[in-house]
Amino acid sequence: AQSVTQLDSQVPVFEEAPVELRCNYSSSVSVYLFWYVQYPNQGLQLLLKYLSGSTLVKGINGFEAEFNKSQTSFHLRKPSVHISDTAEYFCAVSEGRRGSTLGRLYFGRGTQLTVWP
Amino acid sequence: SQTIHQWPATLVQPVGSPLSLECTVEGTSNPNLYWYRQAAGRGLQLLFYSVGIGQISSEVPQNLSASRPQDRQFILSSKKLLLSDSGFYLCAWSRGLAQWVGHLDTQYFGPGTRLTVL
Repeated sequence: AQSVTQLDSQVPVFEEAPVELRCNYSSSVSVYLFWYVQYPNQGLQLLLKYLSGSTLVKGINGFEAEFNKSQTSFHLRKPSVHISDTAEYFCAVSEGRRGSTLGRLYFGRGTQLTVWP
Repeated sequence: SQTIHQWPATLVQPVGSPLSLECTVEGTSNPNLYWYRQAAGRGLQLLFYSVGIGQISSEVPQNLSASRPQDRQFILSSKKLLLSDSGFYLCAWSRGLAQWVGHLDTQYFGPGTRLTVL
């Protein structure tokens, strides 16, 4: 089974500052990678995903993430954050087993991003 | 387009009472369905998943159970709630059959149910 590590449980930043939320996963032959965002008392919303191709993935709300296979990382970045970006962010990994009918995701424990004015 | 519904949105129940949470998906057929629990500071815990009607797999032993009586309906139940059952319960779905395996793994979440056991 995969394990996903989000090293920072809380990341406070000021508005318009850049931010990076870190995610590392245990090694595997092939993986699919996801970032989800959760606003208070809501479900999770898909922010972006990496399935194949370019290692730099762009998502909604100006976020992007870079897949680094050698470092088994998938860090999330945004060059300039807004107060509305305050939310909890979850990194998730799938082993991408071909022939399986189940899409099993392994989630990190989440990073609370708080943007201050 | 596909939508996922959960109800109730919030629930306060006494210890020892039964529980029934419902999740339905619209706009797709034969989805994979999932129940997660999110407790404060503990991330998401996968409780159950289902790849078809009547097919339920449990991830962790507990006093909860799940059922899938219809293709797009997933129910989470308990006969007697414990204090430790309090949390935010999320239902999710993914495509059961897909041309690309990666699309199996993209899960779409419902709005959640906040359960407080007193």
